[in-house]
Amino acid sequence: SAVISQKPSRDICQRGTSLTIQCQVDSQVTMMFWYRQQPGQSLTLIATANQGSEATYESGFVIDKFPISRPNLTFSTLTVSNMSPEDSSIYLCSASRQGPEQFFGPGTRLTVL
Amino acid sequence: RKEVEQDPGPFNVPEGATVAFNCTYSNSASQSFFWYRQDCRKEPKLLMSVYSSGNEDGRFTAQLNRASQYISLLIRDSKLSDSATYLCVVPSSGGYNKLIFGAGTRLAVHP
Repeated sequence: SAVISQKPSRDICQRGTSLTIQCQVDSQVTMMFWYRQQPGQSLTLIATANQGSEATYESGFVIDKFPISRPNLTFSTLTVSNMSPEDSSIYLCSASRQGPEQFFGPGTRLTVL
Repeated sequence: RKEVEQDPGPFNVPEGATVAFNCTYSNSASQSFFWYRQDCRKEPKLLMSVYSSGNEDGRFTAQLNRASQYISLLIRDSKLSDSATYLCVVPSSGGYNKLIFGAGTRLAVHP
């Protein structure tokens, strides 16, 4: 497995602002992903963060709203742009190496007022 | 048919009980399956991987039925600490490295 950290662990933001979430892995990984988990729901994949190229977004998620960077094999950021209360959720970063198993960061709990 | 479906529960069982969860999946080409455990307000953690007909790890047994496209998780001798949500996870039909998470089955073990 890998040790994954996320910053911030939580934040309360005003509507219309943006928040950037950082994800750091303790060793090189092949794949990194960003998920959203709304209260009482399961995980929904936002995008696959590709190293050195644009992220691959899932249906319903767009780059303008959720820009993602992955400058190297151990670090990625997700920005939640122009936030609204509907963006209140837990945002989770995950990573995988050779197989499909993914390991998760502790999550970022976002509340938008 | 949803890619992954689980009974949401909750399953309320006494300590020492045996409990089983089922999960059905739609992608018949899936070769690997996973059970994750998620505690309240925590991230999901990998519990078991299943690549063949099943896997066993102590009190936990996962079984795969490819013909019927379901996987199960059996927990024997339940402990209070087993209380959590168990997520059934399968690779997406859209890509090997993408995972689809079931909605989860809640387990509450009581004294």
